Amino acid sequence: EVQLLESGGGLVQPGGSLRLSCTTSGFVFKAYALSWVRQAPGKGLEWVSVIGTTGDSPYYADSVKGRFTVSRDNSKTTIYLQMNSLRDEDTALYYCAKGGEPGYSSAWYIDSWGQGTLLAVSS
Amino acid sequence: SYDLAQPPSVSVSPGQTASLTCSGDELGSKYVSWYQQKPGQSPVLVIYQDSRRPSGIPERFSGSNSGNTATLTISGTQAMDESDYYCQTWDNRTVVFGGGTKLTVL
Repeated sequence: EVQLLESGGGLVQPGGSLRLSCTTSGFVFKAYALSWVRQAPGKGLEWVSVIGTTGDSPYYADSVKGRFTVSRDNSKTTIYLQMNSLRDEDTALYYCAKGGEPGYSSAWYIDSWGQGTLLAVSS
Repeated sequence: SYDLAQPPSVSVSPGQTASLTCSGDELGSKYVSWYQQKPGQSPVLVIYQDSRRPSGIPERFSGSNSGNTATLTISGTQAMDESDYYCQTWDNRTVVFGGGTKLTVL
């Protein structure tokens, strides 16, 4: 059974930093791209970032580019999201999500989601 | 950036067919996936690559994609189908979600 467990959320002041983790199990971690997707309270899903199998081709939403960095440790089957220069509008539930097929392509989709970890940015 | 447009809400009577649309420029040339999200829960994949249904998803869920519009069709809608639904595609190295449609079954 695929499991994705996010951690690291919390309350941070504007301008602060935080690192989220997503620990996984139940699949061949190194074969799949993984993504971070967030959802602000009462709002829709917003894609944040995706990282490929080797970690050398991450992509980011314009809203976080230059502030957030995604990485992965294949030996620990874990991905991370380093978030810097946090803003009020980054407040959201952050989901870790697994690609549905090995690698990624224009046909990429998400077949598994974690339960999310909550980030609140407020002074 | 690429945008996907979804109607904010759709209503359907139990047992009837619900059609949820997702629109984007030349969307038919891209692959579309659909996710169902119930309050307080994580999203669940219901359709991927336009029309493929994951194991465990009821046959009443189907999808199509042509021109500028992708459609999620729920045949014989049940009360349990009342949820938010999001479409998703991939464009120029980014993942794009639609704004979501709240399906009400009444």
